[in-house]
Amino acid sequence: DQQVKQNSPSLSVQEGRISILNCDYTNSMFDYFLWYKKYPAEGPTFLISISSIKDKNEDGRFTVFLNKSAKHLSLHIVPSQPGDSAVYFCAASISNTGNQFYFGTGTSLTVIP
Amino acid sequence: DAGITQSPRHKVTETGTPVTLRCHQTENHRYMYWYRQDPGHGLRLIHYSYGVKDTDKGEVSDGYSVSRSKTEDFLLTLESATSSQTSVYFCAISRRTDDSPLHFGNGTRLTVT
Repeated sequence: DQQVKQNSPSLSVQEGRISILNCDYTNSMFDYFLWYKKYPAEGPTFLISISSIKDKNEDGRFTVFLNKSAKHLSLHIVPSQPGDSAVYFCAASISNTGNQFYFGTGTSLTVIP
Repeated sequence: DAGITQSPRHKVTETGTPVTLRCHQTENHRYMYWYRQDPGHGLRLIHYSYGVKDTDKGEVSDGYSVSRSKTEDFLLTLESATSSQTSVYFCAISRRTDDSPLHFGNGTRLTVT
């Protein structure tokens, strides 16, 4: 059963606008969350993370928001650029026990120039 | 790049043949992982290792075995390849201290005919 879900397989956004990618999880024990970006024929690249003690983490144009009560996280990209076009995966893990990272199915973002 | 090399990058094999994929790291990270990526499933963990000769199963381990005789090398073996094992395989590494992300290699595309 999928413990991390990305319900939007694809998203198109105009260049310069905000991209919002969403992710839901079911396991309340998850306490570390990550976003990865993947270009074709390459491995996923780590983008940004957040631990459950925070509700927001920023890195340049990328911000991740965590809503623990809703078991929901989102990635905001502002402003969106054509080079951001890629597949984005969210992932979750339990930092103190076990060693597994659980991934969503990915959202394909297209930024239109 | 995180110093991860996967080999081969592409392989075509026949059903029933054994196949070994190699992951080599230069980061001296303790934890190594094998994931497979399939449409509609995202990234799923096959096996992982938390030290030399220490390995454990992930969520899709049936039909796969692994070995880690040195810190830097993690091998994934398909003892008798099946068409359902056609996939893209990613190796990942992590320091696995609290809040340390996975870093991925560029993948091996395996086709079983």
